[in-house]
Amino acid sequence: GENVEQHPSTLSVQEGDSAVIKCTYSDSASNYFPWYKQELGKGPQLIIDIRSNVGEKKDQRIAVTLNKTAKHFSLHITETQPEDSAVYFCAPGNYQLIWGAGTKLIIKP
Amino acid sequence: DVKVTQSSRYLVKRTGEKVFLECVQDMDHENMFWYRQDPGLGLRLIYFSYDVKMKEKGDIPEGYSVSREKKERFSLILESASTNQTSMYLCASSFGRGSYEQYFGPGTRLTVT
Repeated sequence: GENVEQHPSTLSVQEGDSAVIKCTYSDSASNYFPWYKQELGKGPQLIIDIRSNVGEKKDQRIAVTLNKTAKHFSLHITETQPEDSAVYFCAPGNYQLIWGAGTKLIIKP
Repeated sequence: DVKVTQSSRYLVKRTGEKVFLECVQDMDHENMFWYRQDPGLGLRLIYFSYDVKMKEKGDIPEGYSVSREKKERFSLILESASTNQTSMYLCASSFGRGSYEQYFGPGTRLTVT
């Protein structure tokens, strides 16, 4: 079946530094590449997504880059802030999403 | 704003009980999903539905069933709860085919003793 791997599983960065989370997938039919953020006690929420015809997308401090040939895409967060602390999930797919195991991002003050 | 609500935040049930988890969305979305979330495993799809009275199995449907009698409501049923069904259950909805963003409820933490 489809395989999605997310790395690292935990990432601790100093406030103000950048964070990068990588997601690799196996299903070449995937054409939608989202990142979700899950805060404590809440369901996941979409923060950024990209379609397969685009290589990079940016929204203020967050960006997603896609390498479809190598079957991986990454989440980049710059100038990290305490409110960025959460669990982040990649979920490549199309009408069905295949979820990674999650990355716990810790922002150290 | 899209709102997805789940009937309970916390639920404790005994082994063998029949359990109903209810989910309601208020944005006229076509698609609805039930996931379970366990540490280190991400979200795993149990069942989904693209239309009223329509359902399709996800990756882990065993031990579960669903009902969608109205467009806005999607119910997950545990026919005979077991301890290995202790988990966080998340409901989600999305607008329709071609629209992939999923909107989630806050989750129900179910404990089966």
